Amino acid sequence: EADIYQTPRYLVIGTGKKITLECSQTMGHDKMYWYQQDPGMELHLIHYSYGVNSTEKGDLSSESTVSRIRTEHFPLTLESARPSHTSQYLCASSEGQGASGYTFGSGTRLTVV
Amino acid sequence: TQLLEQSPQFLSIQEGENLTVYCNSSSVFSSLQWYRQEPGEGPVLLVTVVTGGEVKKLKRLTFQFGDARKDSSLHITAAQPGDTGLYLCAAYSNSGYALNFGKGTSLLVTP
Repeated sequence: EADIYQTPRYLVIGTGKKITLECSQTMGHDKMYWYQQDPGMELHLIHYSYGVNSTEKGDLSSESTVSRIRTEHFPLTLESARPSHTSQYLCASSEGQGASGYTFGSGTRLTVV
Repeated sequence: TQLLEQSPQFLSIQEGENLTVYCNSSSVFSSLQWYRQEPGEGPVLLVTVVTGGEVKKLKRLTFQFGDARKDSSLHITAAQPGDTGLYLCAAYSNSGYALNFGKGTSLLVTP
């Protein structure tokens, strides 16, 4: 049973559309993350949050934005999708204590046409 | 950002064979994690190694952290088709705010 949920699992949209990828966790974790994953490449951190009202950009430049109004919810928004945004987006959370491991969602596979 | 290099990139073996995959870096880590990712799913944490020279076993999987805490290996004994997946190593960045991941080893075990 998943403790972190991502919706939708798959999304195909047209260029220029605004989209929000949802991520929710039921574990009460303070730290949450968004990674982008492409075949044969490392997972790239695009956003992270240490808690409510805390959001930071990651190492990979991204045109997306995030919000953290509630502990359990960390949505990612693309204001105007482009084909270069086509990728797998993974959300994760952690307890944030020491060398904590991540719990990942199942991901959203986004295709922008 | 410290680089985690994983090898081999791809590995295709028959059921019952043994294999070892590697994760190397020029950086010293306080800890290192291994994940397995199945197609269409997110990575799942397998183990965290913390002490140099540490060996951890998870059924047929044996994880070792190098003495200098710069590298790690994962050995699978008598591989099964259920072991198929992408094996990722990860370590916290120098600033400690998030995990950096290697590119992974894609393992295919055929019956």
